[in-house]
Amino acid sequence: EIVLTQSPGTLSLSPGERATLSCRASQSVSSSYLAWYQQKPGQAPRLLISGASSRATGIPDRFSGSGSGTDFTLTISRLEPEDLAVYYCQQYGSSPLTFGGGTKVEIK
Amino acid sequence: QVQLVQSGAEVKKPGASVKVSCKASGYTFTSYGFSWVRQAPGQGLEWMGWIDAYGNRNYAQKFQARVTMTTDTSTGTTYMELRSLRSDDTAVYYCARNGYCSSVSCLFDYWGQGTLVTVSS
Repeated sequence: EIVLTQSPGTLSLSPGERATLSCRASQSVSSSYLAWYQQKPGQAPRLLISGASSRATGIPDRFSGSGSGTDFTLTISRLEPEDLAVYYCQQYGSSPLTFGGGTKVEIK
Repeated sequence: QVQLVQSGAEVKKPGASVKVSCKASGYTFTSYGFSWVRQAPGQGLEWMGWIDAYGNRNYAQKFQARVTMTTDTSTGTTYMELRSLRSDDTAVYYCARNGYCSSVSCLFDYWGQGTLVTVSS
């Protein structure tokens, strides 16, 4: 199975700063079938990005995804206080589908 | 709007079974399949399996022997039953709608609110 490793484990930034989250796969993710989810405290996950770079409906344009093959990035261009959350990547190009371990974004 | 509403929290003893429901609304139920994902306290997300709109199932190997997923199209509800519960099955269990799918796996475009299952003697 494809193992997804997310880094850093925790990111602590101030409002307005840029956040860069990494997701590295143990083997190539076919056709960039890579999604990102946001999970705020006490809530269910929410789909942010599909196909490595396509924002889901209603997601602000400060969230962007990029990458291919084994290296993927989620960027939050200008952090807002409500972006406090854990962010997970997930590959759906092979079976079984797998999730990364998550990156926690803290707001200073 | 799409909504997935799950059943309430459960407390079970080791060795027992639990059945969690997930009622969908706001779209054509038979057009999408469902997955179940669990999250142990303070931990990440773990996929358990999916059931598609035709009743085909694919379970994660870890749960193959203990899980059954079903759907009731008459009520627009999907179910996940987990048997032989252990303390390490304590987790929040989420249903999620299968959004876009590759030939073998899917992403999840809508999620239920989660159901806490506590396994304790």
